Amino acid sequence: AQKITQTQPGMFVQEKEAVTLDCTYDTSDPSYGLFWYKQPSSGEMIFLIYQGSYDQQNATEGRYSLNFQKARKSANLVISASQLGDSAMYFCAMRELLSGGYNKLIFGAGTRLAVHP
Amino acid sequence: EAQVTQNPRYLITVTGKKLTVTCSQNMNHEYMSWYRQDPGLGLRQIYYSMNVEVTDKGDVPEGYKVSRKEKRNFPLILESPSPNQTSLYFCASSLRGQGDNSPLHFGNGTRLTVT
Repeated sequence: AQKITQTQPGMFVQEKEAVTLDCTYDTSDPSYGLFWYKQPSSGEMIFLIYQGSYDQQNATEGRYSLNFQKARKSANLVISASQLGDSAMYFCAMRELLSGGYNKLIFGAGTRLAVHP
Repeated sequence: EAQVTQNPRYLITVTGKKLTVTCSQNMNHEYMSWYRQDPGLGLRQIYYSMNVEVTDKGDVPEGYKVSRKEKRNFPLILESPSPNQTSLYFCASSLRGQGDNSPLHFGNGTRLTVT
């Protein structure tokens, strides 16, 4: 069965520093997609970044980048120049292909990031 | 504004009293889904729907019902809520669900407490 693992329940980082949030996955499908979502204390889920399994380059979106290492099955999120507003829960998710061609997202347990001034 | 709207945001109820959490999206998305979020478990899918009248079970469907009579609406029904259904619930939608990579757009969540 496909699985997403986030081994860091909590992380601390100093404002303006970079931080890496770990995510490993397990799948036997050759085609898959990896997503990162941010959940601030207000509770909403905010899409951050996407990486496809066939993408040759690591995805980037502003201060967010995804360190995709396919052979190691890891898709770590890198946040550069951390800001206080980055304090939130972060979820890694993988698209799982279901029968009939449909798909769903499966989520890791999440990492809570705290940015200190 | 493109969005997924869930109501209510907070709900406290008693065991056995039927309730419905509504979900509506205005993006003409085909795919809609319900998730529940519990500490240490991330988000787990309850049900999903590919289009009108097409629904299927996710990972934790027991105790829940859904319907998709219109493309924009996907209500979650708890016929007889129990305390183990106390959780944070999210409705989500995406343009398509068939093997594509469009991200899920989430509603703001419904925090349900069953006493």
